[in-house]
Amino acid sequence: EDKVVQSPLSLVVHEGDTVTLNCSYEVTNFRSLLWYKQEKKAPTFLFMLTSSGIEKKSGRLSSILDKKELFSILNITATQTGDSAIYLCAVADSGGSNYKLTFGKGTLLTVNP
Amino acid sequence: EPEVTQTPSHQVTQMGQEVILRCVPISNHLYFYWYRQILGQKVEFLVSFYNNEISEKSEIFDDQFSVERPDGSNFTLKIRSTKLEDSAMYFCASMMQGHSPLHFGNGTRLTVT
Repeated sequence: EDKVVQSPLSLVVHEGDTVTLNCSYEVTNFRSLLWYKQEKKAPTFLFMLTSSGIEKKSGRLSSILDKKELFSILNITATQTGDSAIYLCAVADSGGSNYKLTFGKGTLLTVNP
Repeated sequence: EPEVTQTPSHQVTQMGQEVILRCVPISNHLYFYWYRQILGQKVEFLVSFYNNEISEKSEIFDDQFSVERPDGSNFTLKIRSTKLEDSAMYFCASMMQGHSPLHFGNGTRLTVT
């Protein structure tokens, strides 16, 4: 059974801090690893990672994948209160033509002013 | 930016009643999904749909569940006889093609009383 484990489960920081969120996985047919941000409702897409060692960056957020050690990290620098959310890691598994995501429990990030 | 839309945002129903949750995926997307998230738990895969048929379903997606794409734009999830444990947030998602990110709707919160 595919497994995605995120740590920490929750984190409280002050504005301006840098945070690192972790995601480890076990999956049979790995296709890609995705990060989503979930505020009140829909998970919104942040990054999709398929290759090891290549950092993806969007503003203050960045992410990298290690396919040998089976983990990924999401970094947020100079955090703002608007970064407060649940950050979800998901692994895309495909057997044949199927493609589905297995999610971790998420990391609840709270950024205090 | 195009988005996945879901209606209603909140549905309350009595145990044993049928419910239909509606979704309009992004128009040029080809793959459609339903996920659910019970309060405080992981986002879980229910079913994937491609080329007018189910491509994969989870153990959760039993005979009480069905999906349909009746008219080329809507994608519906029907639960025939709801149970208390069906109470959850149901997310519709769509994807343009294999290896691209899933885009999620804002969800329908289903409450079964």
